Amino acid sequence: GQNIDQPTEMTATEGAIVQINCTYQTSGFNGLFWYQQHAGEAPTFLSYNVLDGLEEKGRFSSFLSRSKGYSYLLLKELQMKDSASYLCAVRDLASGAGSYQLTFGKGTKLSVIP
Amino acid sequence: DTEVTQTPKHLVMGMTNKKSLKCEQHMGHRAMYWYKQKAKKPPELMFVYSYEKLSINESVPSRFSPECPNSSLLNLHLHALQPEDSALYLCASGGTPDAYEQYFGPGTRLTVT
Repeated sequence: GQNIDQPTEMTATEGAIVQINCTYQTSGFNGLFWYQQHAGEAPTFLSYNVLDGLEEKGRFSSFLSRSKGYSYLLLKELQMKDSASYLCAVRDLASGAGSYQLTFGKGTKLSVIP
Repeated sequence: DTEVTQTPKHLVMGMTNKKSLKCEQHMGHRAMYWYKQKAKKPPELMFVYSYEKLSINESVPSRFSPECPNSSLLNLHLHALQPEDSALYLCASGGTPDAYEQYFGPGTRLTVT
């Protein structure tokens, strides 16, 4: 099974930088994902890390340390539209199933204020 | 086309009704998923279909019955549901079972009365 932990809520100012942390414990780790979900909408894929290090994609970057069971999502030049929930999800090999499964953390609700 | 479509968008059903949720993708993806999401909670995996075969069933009650008629379609048949089954039901697909990106549909908002 997995244990995924991330802060429940965060608030940041428009134009600023915010870092959302995620820690996890799992066996058979096969990647960590970040999704963005606006209220009432489906999650949308932001990033994927399977090796240690930083992946950068425009205003969004994601970091992974497998030895520490730790990841963060970095959002730069915050915009009001970035107000959403950010879900950390860990993929591992489902035991006996031969398939991967994705388990989501509880999500961090980010509020961007003017 | 990176779209996963789901119908209906909203569904209200009584506890004795039988209904079905539908999901469709035309991206040639071979893995399809059903998730259940309650308000202010993360999505929870229900079922995984890999190459049209059920590969994961996360101890979901039998009142939920998935079906994959072909590689583009995924159904979730509902029967004798309980009010606590009210939630957003999300379908997702991925290129292969080990592809890293899952594309989510907009979901069906289900209310059981």
